[in-house]
Amino acid sequence: DVKVTQSSRYLVKRTGEKVFLECVQDMDHENMFWYRQDPGLGLRLIYFSYDVKMKEKGDIPEGYSVSREKKERFSLILESASTNQTSMYLCASSFTGQAFFGQGTRLTVV
Amino acid sequence: AQSVAQPEDQVNVAEGNPLTVKCTYSVSGNPYLFWYVQYPNRGLQFLLKYITGDNLVKGSYGFEAEFNKSQTSFHLKKPSALVSDSALYFCAVMTPNAGKSTFGDGTTLTVKP
Repeated sequence: DVKVTQSSRYLVKRTGEKVFLECVQDMDHENMFWYRQDPGLGLRLIYFSYDVKMKEKGDIPEGYSVSREKKERFSLILESASTNQTSMYLCASSFTGQAFFGQGTRLTVV
Repeated sequence: AQSVAQPEDQVNVAEGNPLTVKCTYSVSGNPYLFWYVQYPNRGLQFLLKYITGDNLVKGSYGFEAEFNKSQTSFHLKKPSALVSDSALYFCAVMTPNAGKSTFGDGTTLTVKP
């Protein structure tokens, strides 16, 4: 069965902390994505990657960075967490457009 | 540019009745269209997709969707709703050149017993 695994279901971090959200897929997909989901705003694309060491900005990249050193792993980094980054974060990989999502990480920044 | 609209934030139906969740899209070129479902505190799950071929697409859990090119729509349907169908539904569109999907804002479906 296809699997995308996010390292944490729930996280609580303090303002100013550096936060790492990890995502691993076991399907050998080239494309991987990070979204944030907020009520009434749907899914907004933060960053995506077409291949190892390649990254592209999505619609809301400010305050975030990403790392893809291996094909199966795509990390989202909050350089200095702020309260407005409290959200649900969803990782996905895709093949021929169909996306496979992780279970999500609910991040609270206090 | 590609975009998708889900005009209804909320859809309420009674169990056993047919349901429709609406989606319209805008792309340059031929679209790939998808429906996903999200249960509380979970990631999105794939329901069905249209790439090419028959305009009526059947998917998981008895759902189906009809691709209508002239109306640029891809509405999700089910002949008989179940209480367990209550969830948040997302429509998404992609063109092959874009490499990434654009999602609608989601529609909350509530099926009442």
